[in-house]
Amino acid sequence: DTAVSQTPKYLVTQMGNDKSIKCEQNLGHDTMYWYKQDSKKFLKIMFSYNNKELIINETVPNRFSPKSPDKAHLNLHINSLELGDSAVYFCASSQDDPGKGDYNEQFFGPGTRLTVL
Amino acid sequence: DQQVKQNSPSLSVQEGRISILNCDYTNSMFDYFLWYKKYPAEGPTFLISISSIKDKNEDGRFTVFLNKSAKHLSLHIVPSQPGDSAVYFCAASARMDSNYQLIWGAGTKLIIKP
Repeated sequence: DTAVSQTPKYLVTQMGNDKSIKCEQNLGHDTMYWYKQDSKKFLKIMFSYNNKELIINETVPNRFSPKSPDKAHLNLHINSLELGDSAVYFCASSQDDPGKGDYNEQFFGPGTRLTVL
Repeated sequence: DQQVKQNSPSLSVQEGRISILNCDYTNSMFDYFLWYKKYPAEGPTFLISISSIKDKNEDGRFTVFLNKSAKHLSLHIVPSQPGDSAVYFCAASARMDSNYQLIWGAGTKLIIKP
């Protein structure tokens, strides 16, 4: 059974389109994340959700919006796609509890390679 | 401004020998350091971590060393095996307000030669 799954695995689309990437975790974790791996291979956090509340929002364009219907899902919606949005997007989850101390590992999905033409 | 740096984009090691992957950081507030391993077309998977209050953590063939004064950590793999060929990411954990963030290095591609 896949712990963190993402769909689609590949997404090719035209500039200006609106697209969504879905993420689901079956680990019972309470925090989910979206990362972007850019052309320089850096993993940069975009969003995280804890118990359906946005707790991190880095300086991402507001064309990107996370949607969490429940704590097992965190979908990424992207409006008006631009060439620079081409990257691999990873979803992750963890059992962090920000108030209790020890960091716990994050579990990653397989990634979605987005290509904007 | 890179807070976590992996200065070697790639490393080639003979099978059976020791692989040493290095990572430097700038923020003394990091409280945990983690190594992740990534195969092509897969997401990163957690490998080993070390708390900032320790200087060594060992798990089988993998050992992570932390030198806080030098703000440097390294991952040792011994003996290296073909299945170890992957990209290794160093990440540092910091608590910002009430949340934890992971700051990632750019990765080092390890190639194990038969």
